[in-house]
Amino acid sequence: DAGVIQSPRHEVTEMGQEVTLRCKPISGHDYLFWYRQTMMRGLELLIYFNNNVPIDDSGMPEDRFSAKMPNASFSTLKIQPSEPRDSAVYFCASSLGQGLTQYFGPGTRLTVL
Amino acid sequence: KQEVTQIPAALSVPEGENLVLNCSFTDSAIYNLQWFRQDPGKGLTSLLLIQSSQREQTSGRLNASLDKSSGRSTLYIAASQPGDSATYLCAVGLGSGGTSYGKLTFGQGTILTVHP
Repeated sequence: DAGVIQSPRHEVTEMGQEVTLRCKPISGHDYLFWYRQTMMRGLELLIYFNNNVPIDDSGMPEDRFSAKMPNASFSTLKIQPSEPRDSAVYFCASSLGQGLTQYFGPGTRLTVL
Repeated sequence: KQEVTQIPAALSVPEGENLVLNCSFTDSAIYNLQWFRQDPGKGLTSLLLIQSSQREQTSGRLNASLDKSSGRSTLYIAASQPGDSATYLCAVGLGSGGTSYGKLTFGQGTILTVHP
């Protein structure tokens, strides 16, 4: 298996622009997680899905952030409009079942100028 | 709210040493605890997962212990090698009554450097 796939790996954009991050979980995994990592706050869970349904989005910082999972093999995290403080590394992870080992993608490094 | 603390924040040791990384958490109502490794510019790799009913898990030169009542876990690395250099993250899985909430709360990590 190729593991969790994220795209793009790097994104540089200007303040106010829309940003869309993409994730393909490991085939057969029924849980998908979006995390954000910064030096100041470490790794934070933003939202997670079970069988394509959002279960907990309490970590989503603002209404500017939205996430979707239209099918079992694809999820997006969108930021609109983007701000410099959104600059971070965004990770997607998936797991086979609740409470089991999470497998992380390589991350997307987002820079908002 | 669960808080996870890792000590030390950074550690530098010569090759061959045995070392211990510490993780503490404030709420003992956990489902499991995971240790991850993160290399610079890369994602996280799961090392060990300990269920709340277990006391320890071993994989090769790694041994992780869990003391739920005291809110502590340790990761023991035997005979350290330069290739072990990375950031080690502890993550607590929340849950109660044998049910996982599905969420992980991470510590800030320990940056380990093993020099030849």
